[in-house]
Amino acid sequence: KAGVTQTPRYLIKTRGQQVTLSCSPISGHRSVSWYQQTPGQGLQFLFEYFSETQRNKGNFPGRFSGRQFSNSRSEMNVSTLELGDSALYLCASSLGIGGSPLHFGNGTRLTVT
Amino acid sequence: DQQVKQNSPSLSVQEGRISILNCDYTNSMFDYFLWYKKYPAEGPTFLISISSIKDKNEDGRFTVFLNKSAKHLSLHIVPSQPGDSAVYFCAASPLNAGNNRKLIWGLGTSLAVNP
Repeated sequence: KAGVTQTPRYLIKTRGQQVTLSCSPISGHRSVSWYQQTPGQGLQFLFEYFSETQRNKGNFPGRFSGRQFSNSRSEMNVSTLELGDSALYLCASSLGIGGSPLHFGNGTRLTVT
Repeated sequence: DQQVKQNSPSLSVQEGRISILNCDYTNSMFDYFLWYKKYPAEGPTFLISISSIKDKNEDGRFTVFLNKSAKHLSLHIVPSQPGDSAVYFCAASPLNAGNNRKLIWGLGTSLAVNP
């Protein structure tokens, strides 16, 4: 069974630009969650999508948005990039029912210069 | 304000000995806890979980203990192996949230198992 796939693995952008990250979940998983990981803040929850609907949202500004398609693939978009957005962005999929563990991809390393 | 705290940023253990990783939480609504392991350049991998109706869950070399009154859980790895060297994250959520579960994560403990 293929794992969670995130593309691209690495990305370098300039302040003010926008970026779109992609996540393909494990087959059969309907929930996709996005996390931001930085050294000082650990894993911070961005949002979760389930059956194309945002089901949960963290405390990030509106510059961070996402969507999920009918095949459960998800994209995350960050507009007007800031230096502080440099981080590892992790996507995780799950069955989406209570207690089902998250399965993570290897992340996209975003560097904003 | 960290609701899930892993107070030891790093831990070093000899191969074959026991590794004990600790996690404290502040929110009494948390009743489902998970441990994840993360290698560099990879995403976290699920290890083991425990719900508040139990005080112990075991899976091979990994055992998680939960002390609800102290709001404390620990992960024991016995015996420790060099391949266990990784960052370990503790995560918690209110299971009674049903499908609307949002995990709160600790900052991680870096474990080094020395041959």
